[in-house]
Amino acid sequence: ETGVTQSPTHLIKTRGQQVTLRCSSQSGHNTVSWYQQALGQGPQFIFQYYREEENGRGNFPPRFSGLQFPNYSSELNVNALELDDSALYLCASSSGLAEETQYFGPGTRLLVL
Amino acid sequence: AQSVTQLGSHVSVSEGALVLLRCNYSSSVPPYLFWYVQYPNQGLQLLLKYTTGATLVKGINGFEAEFKKSETSFHLTKPSAHMSDAAEYFCAVSRNTPLVFGKGTRLSVIA
Repeated sequence: ETGVTQSPTHLIKTRGQQVTLRCSSQSGHNTVSWYQQALGQGPQFIFQYYREEENGRGNFPPRFSGLQFPNYSSELNVNALELDDSALYLCASSSGLAEETQYFGPGTRLLVL
Repeated sequence: AQSVTQLGSHVSVSEGALVLLRCNYSSSVPPYLFWYVQYPNQGLQLLLKYTTGATLVKGINGFEAEFKKSETSFHLTKPSAHMSDAAEYFCAVSRNTPLVFGKGTRLSVIA
């Protein structure tokens, strides 16, 4: 059984660019959540996908968008990057909406210059 | 709305000493509570969780936490600190909602 994986591990972009981050869920998990962790802070919820449908969103602007695919892998897209988007982006998977335990990937560290 | 407050952004203990990391929560419904650990340049690893039942929860690596409803607390303890426990620890709350995390407590262990 493989755990949650994310790619790439590190990324450098400039303001105004667009970025796509990828996540592969743990085997058997159909729910994925994305979090942003700024330096020195706890993770903040961006959104969640359940069986390819968005199932909740945190206080993030529409330029943060996502997709979940039939194999339950997922993407986080961020358009018009801003300096404050620099953070560690974490993906977490779980086995269903009622399953509270989320299993996290190692994260993608994004630096916006 | 749910929220978590972790008292102390940095805690330092000697190797072999008691570890106590404090977490208080606010929730309008009976909460599910979690402790996660984050080692440098890594993601979050679940240490333990409380959902229902026994209020003293045992987790991995010798850690445990006690849910105290009257104090709205879920403090994390370990009887004897090891050097390998040095990391960032996050308390989180949920109940049919996304996880809401505290700001974290950095644990340093001194030899």
